[in-house]
Amino acid sequence: NAGVTQTPKFQVLKTGQSMTLQCAQDMNHEYMSWYRQDPGMGLRLIHYSVGAGITDQGEVPNGYNVSRSTTEDFPLRLLSAAPSQTSVYFCASSYSTRPSTDTQYFGPGTRLTVL
Amino acid sequence: AQSVTQLGSHVSVSEGALVLLRCNYSSSVPPYLFWYVQYPNQGLQLLLKYTSAATLVKGINGFEAEFKKSETSFHLTKPSAHMSDAAEYFCAVTPGFNQGGKLIFGQGTELSVKP
Repeated sequence: NAGVTQTPKFQVLKTGQSMTLQCAQDMNHEYMSWYRQDPGMGLRLIHYSVGAGITDQGEVPNGYNVSRSTTEDFPLRLLSAAPSQTSVYFCASSYSTRPSTDTQYFGPGTRLTVL
Repeated sequence: AQSVTQLGSHVSVSEGALVLLRCNYSSSVPPYLFWYVQYPNQGLQLLLKYTSAATLVKGINGFEAEFKKSETSFHLTKPSAHMSDAAEYFCAVTPGFNQGGKLIFGQGTELSVKP
């Protein structure tokens, strides 16, 4: 198993540009999520999905879109990048959607800079 | 609303000394609690988790944490620090039984280990 993979590892955008951060998992996990990590603020949930075709907003969803057409993939789209979106983005997945004993498996992260 | 507070954004210990990283939570329902570790330039890995069984939870790499309901705490300890323990540590709580696998993270504590 490759686990949770994310591409690209690094990205620099100009204000107003759009891009998609890719996330894939090969563990047949139902639950997938996107977090952003900023210094002194821990990780904050952007969007999550409890299965193919089902997505919902997290704590900081503004400026981001997601879709879940397959169990394996959960891309994050920035429609018009802003400097405030400079951050490290992590994708995570878990087998069950219940907040029980399931471990969240994290990808290696994408470091995004918006100029 | 659920929240997590980690006391101390930076903790420095000498090799062989006790490691104590503090975490206090707020939750309106019985919580599940987690500690994750992030090594430099990597994603997060689960250290240990509390899921309402034993209040003293043992994790990987010699770490353990004790759930104290009366103090709303879940502090992380290790009797003897090793240089390889240098990393950032995150405490997290799941907010409820019907809210999917959402994690609420603390701000993180960076652990430095001096030789």
